[in-house]
Amino acid sequence: GQNIDQPTEMTATEGAIVQINCTYQTSGFNGLFWYQQHAGEAPTFLSYNVLDGLEEKGRFSSFLSRSKGYSYLLLKELQMKDSASYLCAAMDSNYQLIWGAGTKLIIKP
Amino acid sequence: GAVVSQHPSWVICKSGTSVKIECRSLDFQATTMFWYRQFPKQSLMLMATSNEGSKATYEQGVEKDKFLINHASLTLSTLTVTSAHPEDSSFYICSAMLRDTNIHFGNGTRLTVT
Repeated sequence: GQNIDQPTEMTATEGAIVQINCTYQTSGFNGLFWYQQHAGEAPTFLSYNVLDGLEEKGRFSSFLSRSKGYSYLLLKELQMKDSASYLCAAMDSNYQLIWGAGTKLIIKP
Repeated sequence: GAVVSQHPSWVICKSGTSVKIECRSLDFQATTMFWYRQFPKQSLMLMATSNEGSKATYEQGVEKDKFLINHASLTLSTLTVTSAHPEDSSFYICSAMLRDTNIHFGNGTRLTVT
């Protein structure tokens, strides 16, 4: 079956670095997405990886290893506004998005 | 950048009535649009995939006669919740896919059925 696993909740300190991991199993693979979602709002696109390696975009970076079915989202210089849920989603061969349950990130001062 | 507009952002309707939600891609042609539903404290659940000019593909457990999806053009898809009931109250979100697989989300519609 198709499955996405990511931690339910993580806590980090303002100014620090946090890594949110995601493992996936899908029928075929057309990329791995990371989204940020604040309570009551639609998800906001953060990153898309389809090739192995690290993609850096400002304070946020995303890594993909297709052979391991593994990705992570790295957030640096954490700010209070980064408190949100972070959703990992893998796209299968039919372009369907398989979503994880999301990781709630709590930032403490 | 690409923008997806979803309307209305919130709607309250009486039980038994129908509600239509529109999803528009404003500056690109979306061959595929996705409709999601989010239950409280849960991740987005894909309801259906809508391809322009063809019938939508519904996920298992989603009633196609209740959730009517129309994708009449490359910039517009609509979701109609027919004979809405309180259990249909939820947050509905659409997304549109560009040809290079970038996906952009609408802002969502909060539906409350009284």
